[in-house]
Amino acid sequence: GDSVTQMEGPVTLSEEAFLTINCTYTATGYPSLFWYVQYPGEGLQLLLKATKADDKGSNKGFEATYRKETTSFHLEKGSVQVSDSAVYFCALVPRDSSYKLIFGSGTRLLVRP
Amino acid sequence: DVKVTQSSRYLVKRTGEKVFLECVQDMDHENMFWYRQDPGLGLRLIYFSYDVKMKEKGDIPEGYSVSREKKERFSLILESASTNQTSMYLCASSFGRLTSGANVLTFGAGSRLTVL
Repeated sequence: GDSVTQMEGPVTLSEEAFLTINCTYTATGYPSLFWYVQYPGEGLQLLLKATKADDKGSNKGFEATYRKETTSFHLEKGSVQVSDSAVYFCALVPRDSSYKLIFGSGTRLLVRP
Repeated sequence: DVKVTQSSRYLVKRTGEKVFLECVQDMDHENMFWYRQDPGLGLRLIYFSYDVKMKEKGDIPEGYSVSREKKERFSLILESASTNQTSMYLCASSFGRLTSGANVLTFGAGSRLTVL
């Protein structure tokens, strides 16, 4: 079945460092891809999305490009802030199931001042 | 902004008790979802509903049931709680099919359930 694999955390960075969180997927056809973020004590919220190959999603300085050749959707940010500390989830919506969002296991990011 | 409200942030129940988790959304969304969140496992779909009185099993429905009598309210029921149901439960809602890309899930803050 369809699935999402994320790099294990926690990822610990100093403020202003470059961030990459790897995400790869297995799916039939071309799913829609998402990154959600969960700040401490809160529910998940959408960070960015891409619905077709080569699309780049971006928001709040974060970017991710839909790469069908490598079935990847890696999350990047050029300069992280302490306020970016959170858990990040990569997710996909399969083409054959419009209502299901399949999540990766999540990657915790801790940014130190 | 869409608001999804989960009535209880923290609950402690005993094994065998019947547990109700309530979720209400205020933006007339068609679809509502219950997920379970566990460390290292991410979020797993328990049940979802695409219309009033309609429900579909997700990936881990065993031990759970749901009720959607009104469009804005979606309840998760544990008929007889067990210790392995100790978890964080997240409710979400959306308008339309998620494959459109324009429609995304909006989540509540979660309900942390401990079963002793």
